[in-house]
Amino acid sequence: AQTVTQSQPEMSVQEAETVTLSCTYDTSESDYYLFWYKQPPSRQMILVIRQEAYKQQNATENRFSVNFQKAAKSFSLKISDSQLGDAAMYFCAYRSASAGGTSYGKLTFGQGTILTVHP
Amino acid sequence: GAVVSQHPSWVICKSGTSVKIECRSLDFQATTMFWYRQFPKQSLMLMATSNEGSKATYEQGVEKDKFLINHASLTLSTLTVTSAHPEDSSFYICSASRGSQPQHFGDGTRLSIL
Repeated sequence: AQTVTQSQPEMSVQEAETVTLSCTYDTSESDYYLFWYKQPPSRQMILVIRQEAYKQQNATENRFSVNFQKAAKSFSLKISDSQLGDAAMYFCAYRSASAGGTSYGKLTFGQGTILTVHP
Repeated sequence: GAVVSQHPSWVICKSGTSVKIECRSLDFQATTMFWYRQFPKQSLMLMATSNEGSKATYEQGVEKDKFLINHASLTLSTLTVTSAHPEDSSFYICSASRGSQPQHFGDGTRLSIL
């Protein structure tokens, strides 16, 4: 079974600064997807960024980028130019790319990291 | 982007009653829907996976007779908490996906059992 570990329960950053959230995972599969989701106080789950394991290039979405190290099974999220609206709980998630079966599409979440942004 | 509607957003009811939560994919046909439970400041815990027209697959430790899931169409899944008790109070979130596309989440339902 796959596991996802976020070792930072809480992080803080000054507005306009950069912060990196850590995520490691364990799997025996070679093809999979990794995600970062943001959950603000409204508790809505928002997809921040997605990475396909077969792609070596790190995914980027505006101020959000990842450092995907497949061999090390590491998938960190970097938030540049942090804004007050970035304050939220962030979840790293894993999904197998294997089609079929009753667990197809199932996400495995990490424990989450609460990010505080100071003005 | 894809929209998933979850209703109600907040429900308060007496112990012993049953509560139904609906999850609808508004602009796509969802082959699979997922139901999660989340306690404050904790991660999402998958309760069950629901495929249209077939029985839901429950995660270990989740009582299938307590949490009834129905996925009658490609756009609607329901979770019924039967004979709810205070320990069932939690935040319940659904998500929907189609094929290899990412899951799209509903806004969640806060359930409070008195």
